[in-house]
Amino acid sequence: EVPLVQSGPEVRKPGESLNISCKGSEYNFITYWIGWVRLMPGKGLEWMGIIYPGDSDTRYSPSFQGRVTISVDKSIRTAYLQLSTLKASDTAMYYCARLKGYGENPYYHYAMDVWGQGTMVTVSS
Amino acid sequence: DIQMTQSPSSLSASVGDRVTITCRASQNIGSYLNWYQQKPEKAPKLLIYSASGLQSGVPSRFSGSGSGTDFTLTISSLQPEDFATYFCQHSLKTPYTFGQGTKLDVK
Repeated sequence: EVPLVQSGPEVRKPGESLNISCKGSEYNFITYWIGWVRLMPGKGLEWMGIIYPGDSDTRYSPSFQGRVTISVDKSIRTAYLQLSTLKASDTAMYYCARLKGYGENPYYHYAMDVWGQGTMVTVSS
Repeated sequence: DIQMTQSPSSLSASVGDRVTITCRASQNIGSYLNWYQQKPEKAPKLLIYSASGLQSGVPSRFSGSGSGTDFTLTISSLQPEDFATYFCQHSLKTPYTFGQGTKLDVK
């Protein structure tokens, strides 16, 4: 079984909203941060935000503040990414990933050690 | 936000070559630095955490070094499966920004 499975490809029009999911399995879902990252065509990786399923503590990139919401439903081991007011420039592959803490608490070094398969999002009129 | 700058942006090399990629942070990040490999149509793969920690399952030809603001990823003897794009990322404080990537292709 794959540890993180994302929802399927999405096509949206400019101005619409997007909601994609990331379901965890094979590990203690609520004790690892889950992060969202996107890869735009011909560009690099862009960090969007993270959530801790245990208490829903959430951190966002200022680049997306106001447009992005990350949430979680612990009962079904699933994290969600909502992005509103979509633009053509939001066309990208969106990934969820588990953050593993290396070292000792509270000085963990976090890295994304397990990744979902990616969700392709196309925004076009 | 902390800015991460990689060099070079692209690099051509041959199988067996020793390859070094550099990443510079805009402020002191200690050893809070990760390296990822990404191949087309695939999710990124964690190679190195905490600047020099080799992720489980990653071949020992990959190594990382550095601290503070300057870091390097070295591939000691390039293999055919290593042609890919490499990204650094800091994890000192959110947002955990990435470098712009270094594309490694065949000479």
